[in-house]
Amino acid sequence: QLVLTQSPSASASLGASVKVSCTLSSGHSTNAIAWHQQQPEKGPRFLMKIDSDGSHRRGDGIPDRFSGSSSGAERYLTISSLQSEDEGDYYCQTWGTGIHVVFGGGTKLTVL
Amino acid sequence: QITLKESGPTVVKPTQTLTLTCTFSGFSLSTSAVGVGWIRQPPGKALEWLGFIYWNDVKHYSPSLKNRLTITKDTSKNQVVLTMTNVDPVDTGTYYCAHRGGDFWSGYHDYFDYWGQGTLVLVSS
Repeated sequence: QLVLTQSPSASASLGASVKVSCTLSSGHSTNAIAWHQQQPEKGPRFLMKIDSDGSHRRGDGIPDRFSGSSSGAERYLTISSLQSEDEGDYYCQTWGTGIHVVFGGGTKLTVL
Repeated sequence: QITLKESGPTVVKPTQTLTLTCTFSGFSLSTSAVGVGWIRQPPGKALEWLGFIYWNDVKHYSPSLKNRLTITKDTSKNQVVLTMTNVDPVDTGTYYCAHRGGDFWSGYHDYFDYWGQGTLVLVSS
């Protein structure tokens, strides 16, 4: 069964960097994923797609402060130079034949 | 520029059928590999995928909801319609439609790269 596991929360100081992780379940370590950001009281916004080799493609208008990487079954979203508007929920999402679409439980990011 | 917008009733009574429309622009659902998905989010909870419809009229549904969902498209109107039967208060939440991720050069995959603003649906008597 394809499951994405995210830490429920993360925090970092204004101007610092933070790394948010998403873990693919056993047998699915080569899956690509997508990261989506949801600011408070807003709809989700696509940030980037990350492949198993760490290559990533950012969505339209997403600044290069947002970057992605991979290591084994882990997929990471790194946000540098944290700004107050980066506060919100971050969801990873993957897909597969017969499984179609799965979302992680989300990570709530607090900017201190 | 790709945009999507959901519309439909704000309140639906339990056991009724919910019908939501996604009106989009900036792409065509008659173009090979293009698709539109539906996702919902109960208040304070995580995103949940509902289903996909593709350019060739193939549909995929969430296994847990497939018996209650139907997704159709009207290519001439640039619209996709989600129908959910026998709604319950647990179906309350914000419903989103979204564009299947990718493009002609990089290929399309089942993620979402453009989202609608969402529409809040309350199931209550």
